[in-house]
Amino acid sequence: GGIITQTPKFLIGQEGQKLTLKCQQNFNHDTMYWYRQDSGKGLRLIYYSITENDLQKGDLSEGYDASREKKSSFSLTVTSAQKNEMAVFLCASSIGHLSGNTLYFGEGSRLIVV
Amino acid sequence: GDSVTQTEGQVALSEEDFLTIHCNYSASGYPTLFWYVQYPGEGPQLLFRASRDKEKGSSRGFEATYDKGTTSFHLRKASVQESDSAVYYCALSDRGGSAKLIFGEGTKLTVSS
Repeated sequence: GGIITQTPKFLIGQEGQKLTLKCQQNFNHDTMYWYRQDSGKGLRLIYYSITENDLQKGDLSEGYDASREKKSSFSLTVTSAQKNEMAVFLCASSIGHLSGNTLYFGEGSRLIVV
Repeated sequence: GDSVTQTEGQVALSEEDFLTIHCNYSASGYPTLFWYVQYPGEGPQLLFRASRDKEKGSSRGFEATYDKGTTSFHLRKASVQESDSAVYYCALSDRGGSAKLIFGEGTKLTVSS
């Protein structure tokens, strides 16, 4: 088995601030994802990465940057935090990038903008 | 684009009640369909998946049958327990495409004893 670790669990920042969330996985999976979870809206894909140094935009990428500098880690940056961005951010990984693969999720990081 | 719709936002049941959560999808071809469950304080985890028309997925007493004719993958359980209280997500990935999932809005199930 493996685990996905997201840090921090809670991230508090001010409006306009640049904020970064980090994700580590020890599954040795190739593909990693960042989803945003809003109540009543489900999970929406922000960015994903098929392999190290690869980045693919999801439907919700505007206002976010991502970085995959090594296979085990994937970070997400909110470029200018807004109060309407308060949500839970979920990191996930899968063994490959093809359809049908299971995604394994971390416990999430909650963003609070004051 | 592809989409998933869950009809019920919240469902409240008593123990031993029958559960149905409706899931309909819109996608071309034969997407792989999934049910994920998220317990409080945890990330979503796979309940089961199905890849072909009429295929039944099942786990922990939950089941759903892939129906291409009605583009549905409804989740059912004959007798729910308090421990089933969680948020349930229906999702799809485009067969032949990437593993990235498109999720429904989620259904919060609350089971009381």
